[in-house]
Amino acid sequence: QVQLQQSGAELVKPGSSVKISCKASGYTFTSYDMFWIKQQPGNGLEWIGWIYPGNGNTKYNQKFNGKATLTADKSSSTAYMHLSSLTSEDSAIYFCAIGGSFFEHWGQGVMVTVSS
Amino acid sequence: DTVLTQSPTLAVSPGERVTISCRASESVTTRMHWYQQKPGQQPKLLIFGASNLESGVPARFSGSGSGTDFTLTIDPVEASDTATYFCQQSWNDPFTFGTGTKLELK
Repeated sequence: QVQLQQSGAELVKPGSSVKISCKASGYTFTSYDMFWIKQQPGNGLEWIGWIYPGNGNTKYNQKFNGKATLTADKSSSTAYMHLSSLTSEDSAIYFCAIGGSFFEHWGQGVMVTVSS
Repeated sequence: DTVLTQSPTLAVSPGERVTISCRASESVTTRMHWYQQKPGQQPKLLIFGASNLESGVPARFSGSGSGTDFTLTIDPVEASDTATYFCQQSWNDPFTFGTGTKLELK
């Protein structure tokens, strides 16, 4: 069965960066877009962007240009999201998910807390 | 960006029928999808393409609509349906989500 296993919670300082991971199993990693989605406490969901691991192509929500960088390692079937210049506005839960125009399978989420 | 508007909360009794609405600020044709999220969990896909039931989801859930107005119906509601329900559109770039409707049971 499809599984997306995300890395553990992160506590980071303002101005720093963080890289979170999403290890995929149960399907052909290189054949499906991997999406990243942000959820702030009490708030809704925001689509950050996607990467197609087969060729590394990416697409970002303009709002996250310069904030998020998506990469993928085919050898380990793992997708990564690097978040830079962190502020309190980046404190959120970040999910990875696969699908096409909708998201059929989700990771369990990674809580990132930005605090000094 | 396409704004998806949902009512914040709804309260219903078990066994009743409930409709959760989602209104888009511009047409999304039928590229509307619905998710259920319980506290501490990731969202779960219920409906895709406005009216298609995801595999494994109980037939108590159904979706309808096109253009700008969409509904998710649960009939009958069960206690386990207590959750927040989100709509999401994939017609316009960027994909956007609704603010969510929290369903409470009386």
